[in-house]
Amino acid sequence: QVQLVQSGAEVKKPGASVKISCETSGYVFTDYAIHWVRQAPGQSLEWMGWINVGISKTEYSHNFQGGVTFTGDASANTAYMELTSLRAEDSAIYYCARVTGLHFDSWGQGTLITVSS
Amino acid sequence: QSVLTQPPSVSGAPGQRVTISCAGSRSNIGAGYPVNWYQQFPGAAPKLLMFTNSIRPSGVPDRFSGSKSGASASLDISGLQAEDEAVYYCQSYDSGLGGSPFVFGTGTKVTV
Repeated sequence: QVQLVQSGAEVKKPGASVKISCETSGYVFTDYAIHWVRQAPGQSLEWMGWINVGISKTEYSHNFQGGVTFTGDASANTAYMELTSLRAEDSAIYYCARVTGLHFDSWGQGTLITVSS
Repeated sequence: QSVLTQPPSVSGAPGQRVTISCAGSRSNIGAGYPVNWYQQFPGAAPKLLMFTNSIRPSGVPDRFSGSKSGASASLDISGLQAEDEAVYYCQSYDSGLGGSPFVFGTGTKVTV
């Protein structure tokens, strides 16, 4: 079955960077894009963008351009998201998810990032 | 800010029926893009509950049903059960300029 397993929670100081991973299994990694979704505490879901390693393409939401970078390793079936210049407002749970058509059919368990001095 | 608007909460007694609305606009639901629904329990990731307006993934009980009309959609839960207590999000695609193509609703807390 399709599985997305994310790396563990991180605590970072303001101005630092963090890179989280999303290891996939159960399907051909390069056939699908991996999307990233942010959920701030008590808030709804916010789409950040996607990466398709198979076609070497990324797309970023206008709200996140400049502060986030998506990468991927096809040999490891893993996608990564790096956030730079972290601020307290970046504290949230970050999910990776696979999209089929226009819906998110499989989700990682989420990675909590806490930014605090 | 969420592009799709949902009521913050709905509640019902066990066995009752509740409906969650999802209001969009001409650039998303009203443009003909499908609506999808997700169920999220506290401390857990969202889970796909309904896709392409009314299709249930395997394993989702048939007491959940979805529909779409114009620029709005709705999720019905009939025969409400205690295990249905969760937050529900709608999601669609948006073709508007400058915004994100994948848009989510504000979320609705269902209390049983």
